[in-house]
Amino acid sequence: AQSVSQHNHHVILSEAASLELGCNYSYGGTVNLFWYVQYPGQHLQLLLKYFSGDPLVKGIKGFEAEFIKSKFSFNLRKPSVQWSDTAEYFCAVSSYGGATNKLIFGTGTLLAVQP
Amino acid sequence: GAGVSQSPSNKVTEKGKDVELRCDPISGHTALYWYRQSLGQGLEFLIYFQGNSAPDKSGLPSDRFSAERTGGSVSTLTIQRTQQEDSAVYLCASSWGLAGPSTDTQYFGPGTRLTVL
Repeated sequence: AQSVSQHNHHVILSEAASLELGCNYSYGGTVNLFWYVQYPGQHLQLLLKYFSGDPLVKGIKGFEAEFIKSKFSFNLRKPSVQWSDTAEYFCAVSSYGGATNKLIFGTGTLLAVQP
Repeated sequence: GAGVSQSPSNKVTEKGKDVELRCDPISGHTALYWYRQSLGQGLEFLIYFQGNSAPDKSGLPSDRFSAERTGGSVSTLTIQRTQQEDSAVYLCASSWGLAGPSTDTQYFGPGTRLTVL
């Protein structure tokens, strides 16, 4: 069965620090990969997604993620975080065209950015 | 336009009672999803509706859980004989349904926090 691991449960950074949140999945076939974000008091929303093509995907608010197939990873990065990036981040995976066509979410990483 | 709405925002119930949670998807979205988020857990898929097709119920944890979608729009998730382990945030999402659940961007509602005493 597919699974998604987010090893960092809680990350605390100072403003302007660089961010990298880990995401690993277990599935041998073709996958679609997503990062969703939930800002305090707001709905869960899509940050970026990868289906095919350039493995470096750029999303909103300066975020990017790199798909490394050999490592089954889709880590989220931002060169310089802001206080407004404080949120919970969820990685999700689905199998393209597979029988399991639903999104499988990780447990989330809570990011706190200190001013 | 309006996003996905859910009601109630909070629900406290006693063990053994039935509860109904409502979801209003974005107008025009044909796909609707229910998820559950328990403390310290990721989002757990429960059920998926696409148009008039039979729903994908593969994520429902027990036969106490059921959901329906009337007229291809509003959906109700019903939990019968609630148990304490049902306490969680129940999230609803909708999407255009054009590409399928594996690729569609899902738009989430604010969730219903259910507490079973």
